Amino acid sequence: SAVISQKPSRDICQRGTSLTIQCQVDSQVTMMFWYRQQPGQSLTLIATANQGSEATYESGFVIDKFPISRPNLTFSTLTVSNMSPEDSSIYLCSVVIGNYEQYFGPGTRLTVT
Amino acid sequence: AQRVTQPEKLLSVFKGAPVELKCNYSYSGSPELFWYVQYSRQRLQLLLRHISRESIKGFTADLNKGETSFHLKKPFAQEEDSAMYYCALKAGANNLFFGTGTRLTVIP
Repeated sequence: SAVISQKPSRDICQRGTSLTIQCQVDSQVTMMFWYRQQPGQSLTLIATANQGSEATYESGFVIDKFPISRPNLTFSTLTVSNMSPEDSSIYLCSVVIGNYEQYFGPGTRLTVT
Repeated sequence: AQRVTQPEKLLSVFKGAPVELKCNYSYSGSPELFWYVQYSRQRLQLLLRHISRESIKGFTADLNKGETSFHLKKPFAQEEDSAMYYCALKAGANNLFFGTGTRLTVIP
């Protein structure tokens, strides 16, 4: 199993600013994922972050808006840049252990005013 | 393109009654399907996956490729089953595509 922590747990930010979300895992993992869950919506994959290489972004998400760092096998950050109210969401970090089981962090609830 | 559909946003059943949460999928490859659950104030966690064909907390789910369905069932609902349930499809290396979720409420 994996224990995932995220910081901050929630934040209220002004439009035009940026927020960096941290994700820490208690074991080394190859693949980490960042998801977004907008109000009343399902989880949507933003990007896959592998250590030592650039993140792979899903359609509709770009690096300039959501830069990701993956400096080692237990840590990653997601930055939400130049925020607008539409970025208000829960952002979740996730990892895969073994062949299939995907573990999720507690999420970061972001409100942009 | 892959898609996961959970037609019911809300589902309420009485304690002891059977419950079925519906999930339909669309995927051109060989599907790998999961049910995730999120209890109040807890993080999202895996409930079961179709490959293991196991029963977890009394829940089972059978993959029906003919009907492209993966419905979650439990014969006797308990109050502690009240939660948000997400059906998910694994497509590609490790991408999980989630349905919109069904909020199950078990009425005492």
